[in-house]
Amino acid sequence: DAKTTQPPSMDCAEGRAANLPCNHSTISGNEYVYWYRQIHSQGPQYIIHGLKNNETNEMASLIITEDRKSSTLILPHATLRDTAVYYCIVRATGNQFYFGTGTSLTVIP
Amino acid sequence: EAGVTQFPSHSVIEKGQTVTLRCDPISGHDNLYWYRRVMGKEIKFLLHFVKESKQDESGMPNNRFLAERTGGTYSTLKVQPAELEDSGVYFCASSLWTAPNTEAFFGQGTRLTVV
Repeated sequence: DAKTTQPPSMDCAEGRAANLPCNHSTISGNEYVYWYRQIHSQGPQYIIHGLKNNETNEMASLIITEDRKSSTLILPHATLRDTAVYYCIVRATGNQFYFGTGTSLTVIP
Repeated sequence: EAGVTQFPSHSVIEKGQTVTLRCDPISGHDNLYWYRRVMGKEIKFLLHFVKESKQDESGMPNNRFLAERTGGTYSTLKVQPAELEDSGVYFCASSLWTAPNTEAFFGQGTRLTVV
């Protein structure tokens, strides 16, 4: 069901930018790209979403390629508290979130 | 503003028993979703309410699961009778609008263990 492909794990040095890639080559024109993260066993936490244009909020930036087949989530200054599993999700018009397996990001001191 | 609240946080029951999970969405959110993660698997969609109506229940695994949202406020998810494979974490989420560009906010989940 998952419509996205992400690397299973990544490391990032504390204070550096974390760039998490995602492929969604079958995305439809009206489907949004969402990013959530899950810290330990907590509930998924919303980060950011976008359709075509790049987006930025207080947590992160989302860069979507022009053909919309891939995107990158950027955490500009990673901290230890950003260690989590990050999910790139293509939201279907039926409103379901397909979570996939995500990327386990470890921020290293 | 209170977030999505789920009760209980943990539940341990014996196979064959009944368990009812509760979700209180963010006030004013008409859309309520149930998801679950069973052991070693991905988080999967169960169903979606718009107010008190079931908009999409395509993810409900079988008829042992019954979700209700009387009055369009809080929701309950009953598992009767519970089986071992129902063990996992059940998440509830809510969103203000139905449109796909509206973020959903998740609760902390209920960890269900069936022994």
